[in-house]
Amino acid sequence: EIVLTQSPATLSLSPGERATLSCRASQSVSSYLAWYRQKPGQAPRLLIYDASNRATGIPARFSGSGSGADFTLTISSLEPEDSAVYYCQQRGNWPWTFGQGTKVEIK
Amino acid sequence: EVQVVESGGDLVKPGRSLRLSCIGSGVTFGDHYISWFRQAPGKGLEWVGFIRIKAYGATTSYGASVKGRFSISRDDSKGIAYLQMDSLQIEDTGIYYCMMAVINTTLAYWGQGTPVTVSS
Repeated sequence: EIVLTQSPATLSLSPGERATLSCRASQSVSSYLAWYRQKPGQAPRLLIYDASNRATGIPARFSGSGSGADFTLTISSLEPEDSAVYYCQQRGNWPWTFGQGTKVEIK
Repeated sequence: EVQVVESGGDLVKPGRSLRLSCIGSGVTFGDHYISWFRQAPGKGLEWVGFIRIKAYGATTSYGASVKGRFSISRDDSKGIAYLQMDSLQIEDTGIYYCMMAVINTTLAYWGQGTPVTVSS
């Protein structure tokens, strides 16, 4: 099973600041990596698929990069509604797995 | 617009069974893998299992914690998939999500989830 390790566990930033979230896989997943945002009481929402493609309706301030085993989600200018837990998910190998999440707090 | 809607969640006693449904619309249902995930209260996301498309034999795979107790099936003519959960345990409590997965990409569509509570 591929283990995804996300860092940091918590990120506390002010509106307008840049957020950089990391996801590291225990082995290569090629570009089969997605990023999700989950707010309390809501389902996960797809932000980025195939490492760098924004899903429909996702603002341009969200971007993804990386391939192989190292991936990054960048939020260029944080807004208050970005307060949530962010998960990475790999679908390069079975079973499909998620990272443990990074909680983004807006000061 | 693609829509995924789960239903069937309920409060059940340990050892009982429950069947969840997942209806997909807005895309060709039969062209998508269907995967189920769950989230226990305050925890992260756990993969439950999935079913491939008919062209790949509609074969299934399951997570270790549910293997032998849960099963997934699909009826592409109706655009619906099922998660049959038998011998439910307290640890199966959580929100169950259905995901329609586009093949060969990580693009996917999710439902809003249905709650399952296993308690005596």
